[in-house]
Formats: sequence, structure tokens, C-alpha cells
Amino acid sequence: DAGVIQSPRHEVTEMGQEVTLRCKPISGHDYLFWYRQTMMRGLELLIYFNNNVPIDDSGMPEDRFSAKMPNASFSTLKIQPSEPRDSAVYFCASSFVDEQFFGPGTRLTVL
Amino acid sequence: SQQGEEDPQALSIQEGENATMNCSYKTSINNLQWYRQNSGRGLVHLILIRSNEREKHSGRLRVTLDTSKKSSSLLITASRAADTASYFCATDAGAGKSTFGDGTTLTVKP
Repeated sequence: DAGVIQSPRHEVTEMGQEVTLRCKPISGHDYLFWYRQTMMRGLELLIYFNNNVPIDDSGMPEDRFSAKMPNASFSTLKIQPSEPRDSAVYFCASSFVDEQFFGPGTRLTVL
Repeated sequence: SQQGEEDPQALSIQEGENATMNCSYKTSINNLQWYRQNSGRGLVHLILIRSNEREKHSGRLRVTLDTSKKSSSLLITASRAADTASYFCATDAGAGKSTFGDGTTLTVKP
């Protein structure tokens, strides 16, 4: 298995633009997590899904953030409109039981 | 606030020495996990210890859990330069999600 796949790996955009981050979890995993990591805030859980259903989105910072999981092999995290304070590394992770497998992350820079 | 808090925030040792990192948490847990993150990479799972276990080993890693003190420690023996990374504890209180601490940055000098 190729592991958790995230795209793009790097994204540079201007304030106000829409940003879409993509994630393909490991086949057979029924949990999918979206995290944000910054120096100031550390690793924050934004939202997680179980069997494609959002379970807890209390970590989503604002209405500008939305996440979907249309099927078991794909999820998106969208920021619209983006702001400079959204600059961070965004990780997707998937799991089957306890251990979470992380993707390589998307480094987002909002100018 | 974060469920798990690592201590120390940063640790610098010589190759061959042992490294000990601690994690404290606030509420009851089902299990506690330790992850490693190399610079610029995603987190990698190292070891899981369940709430009814007190100690667990994996290679050069030794993890202890004291549920009465709500704390865990990760010991890396005979450290190597390649162990240089950030180490995070993650507590699982149920519902499928884990809460990560702020991490300990370990530097192993060759």
C-alpha cells in the first residue's frame, strides 16, 4: 500500500482565494482525520470521519473551513476564502483500529 | 487545552546516551500512543500502551504508563543521530480520536 496520499504537497496562494486540499486514505481504514500543525498551536485536530460520516468537527476554526468525504477513498478540506493566518501544514491521517497513519502533509502558504 | 503534555519541550543528548520523555494527561484514557515526527514529515506511530498495561517494549523503546498519576514516559536507549526528531504522545479516550500533546524535540549529537 502507498500509505496516505495527500495533494498538493505545497500550495502558495493569495488571501481571498479558495484552497482545496485532498487526501486518499489507506484502503480498508474506516477513520479519517484532518489536522493542522503550526509552531504556535502545535497539532490541532480539525475534523474526523468514521465510515465517511463526519463525527466531530469542533476543531474546524471557522465557517471558512469545510471538509467532505464523498467515498471511502477520498476526502477534501476546503478553505474559502483563505487568510494569511491559515498558513500551516495540513495533515490527513487514517486508521482502522488505534494506530493512525499520517500522510506527508500539505504546506499551505497564504500571502 | 491539549490532553497530553510532553516534558521536556526540548532535549539534547550525545549519541549512545538514553533519552527520556514524559507525558501527562488529564482525563481517563483507553490507551496512550507515542509518535515520532522527523522534520518536514508526517507523524509515524511508534508504540501503543493500553490503560491496563504498565510497561511495554519495542526494540530500543520502552514505554511506561501510570494511570494513577496520569502520566507516561518514553525511554529511548542507546540513542542514535537518526533518533533526532519530535516525539508526541497521543491519548485515546474513546470515540475513535486521539488528542496529541505539543511534543518533545530530541536532538542526538553524533
